[in-house]
Amino acid sequence: GAVVSQHPSRVICKSGTSVKIECRSLDFQATTMFWYRQFPKQSLMLMATSNEGSKATYEQGVEKDKFLINHASLTLSTLTVTSAHPEDSSFYICSASQVWDRGLGGDYNEQFFGPGTRLTVL
Amino acid sequence: KNQVEQSPQSLIILEGKNCTLQCNYTVSPFSNLRWYKQDTGRGPVSLTIMTFSENTKSNGRYTATLDADTKQSSLHITASQLSDSASYICVVSAPNDYKLSFGAGTTVTVRA
Repeated sequence: GAVVSQHPSRVICKSGTSVKIECRSLDFQATTMFWYRQFPKQSLMLMATSNEGSKATYEQGVEKDKFLINHASLTLSTLTVTSAHPEDSSFYICSASQVWDRGLGGDYNEQFFGPGTRLTVL
Repeated sequence: KNQVEQSPQSLIILEGKNCTLQCNYTVSPFSNLRWYKQDTGRGPVSLTIMTFSENTKSNGRYTATLDADTKQSSLHITASQLSDSASYICVVSAPNDYKLSFGAGTTVTVRA
């Protein structure tokens, strides 16, 4: 299957600093990448959808000025948490989308998830 | 209300035993249903993907079933191993929609 990497895997920073997280699709080109946030014992919550070369689409309640997303190429998207605060501490997961032609049910998009980045803001 | 409901929330089983996880969804129209395994501190890994026309899909000791009429799916784990301890997430998507509907997951703990 397709491989998606994230860097860094873990980051600890002081309150007020900015943190950049990279998401790369290693062996395929992803026209769309997604950023999720996951709090302990909860499921993934979509933060934003990122299309290469265009502005990201943010979900309701997600501050676009705080969570800056750049999708500069078909294999790289970055999420920058600006002026991080302790409440931003979470597990951030990206996914990259590839369209498959299954024939039976038509096209569908397959999302391959990265390994996640644990952000801790002190 | 979440469009994907999973049960049980958690379960503990002995190594070597079987277990079945349930997923009910209300997403309509429906395109496909996926089961993911998420180890603690890791991203989800796909186990199975089924379109509306598929009833069952296996991946090693994992077997997923789908009843699109009743909007129910199950994931059966056979001969559980300690490495099966993880959260199992049911995810449903609608046609031509990149957004996925996630269940809250079932946490499985396999004990020796």
